[in-house]
Amino acid sequence: NAGVMQNPRHLVRRRGQEARLRCSPMKGHSHVYWYRQLPEEGLKFMVYLQKENIIDESGMPKERFSAEFPKEGPSILRIQQVVRGDSAAYFCASSPTRGTDTQYFGPGTRLTVL
Amino acid sequence: AQSVTQLDSHVSVSEGTPVLLRCNYSSSYSPSLFWYVQHPNKGLQLLLKYTSAATLVKGINGFEAEFKKSETSFHLTKPSAHMSDAAEYFCVVSDLSANAGKSTFGDGTTLTVKP
Repeated sequence: NAGVMQNPRHLVRRRGQEARLRCSPMKGHSHVYWYRQLPEEGLKFMVYLQKENIIDESGMPKERFSAEFPKEGPSILRIQQVVRGDSAAYFCASSPTRGTDTQYFGPGTRLTVL
Repeated sequence: AQSVTQLDSHVSVSEGTPVLLRCNYSSSYSPSLFWYVQHPNKGLQLLLKYTSAATLVKGINGFEAEFKKSETSFHLTKPSAHMSDAAEYFCVVSDLSANAGKSTFGDGTTLTVKP
């Protein structure tokens, strides 16, 4: 049973470009969470999604950031018009149910904005 | 509302000596509590979790943690540190309040193990 997959593992973008980060949850998991880890800091919750629904986006910046988890295919975290402050590691986690169930983390995507 | 405080940002121990990483939490409901470990440039690995069963939880790699409701603590311990334990450790709280599954991470504790 493959774990949570994230790609790309490393992504370099210039200011103003778009970044697309992909997350494939573990098989049988229908709940996906995105977290951001800035250098020297802990993980901060961004968004929680189920298939075709955003459940909680209270941690998402109001502009430029969006997330989706379509019926088919991976979850996508999209950052438009990236700025240097977006440079961070972005982690995806999945769980089979909601609530307090264990979340299993992917290896992360390290975004560098030049 | 939920929150978690890791009381030490850095802990340094000698190989073979005990490890104590401290965590206090706040939760409006009966929480689930987790410890994760992150090695440099790696993802997060679950060490152990507490979900209202036994208060002393045993995890992987010899780690364990004790849930103390009266002290709202969930400290992580290991009797004897190994060089491979050097990493970042995160205490995490999650409850079924309005957060609907959102987990709150502590700021992390960096564990250094000296030879």
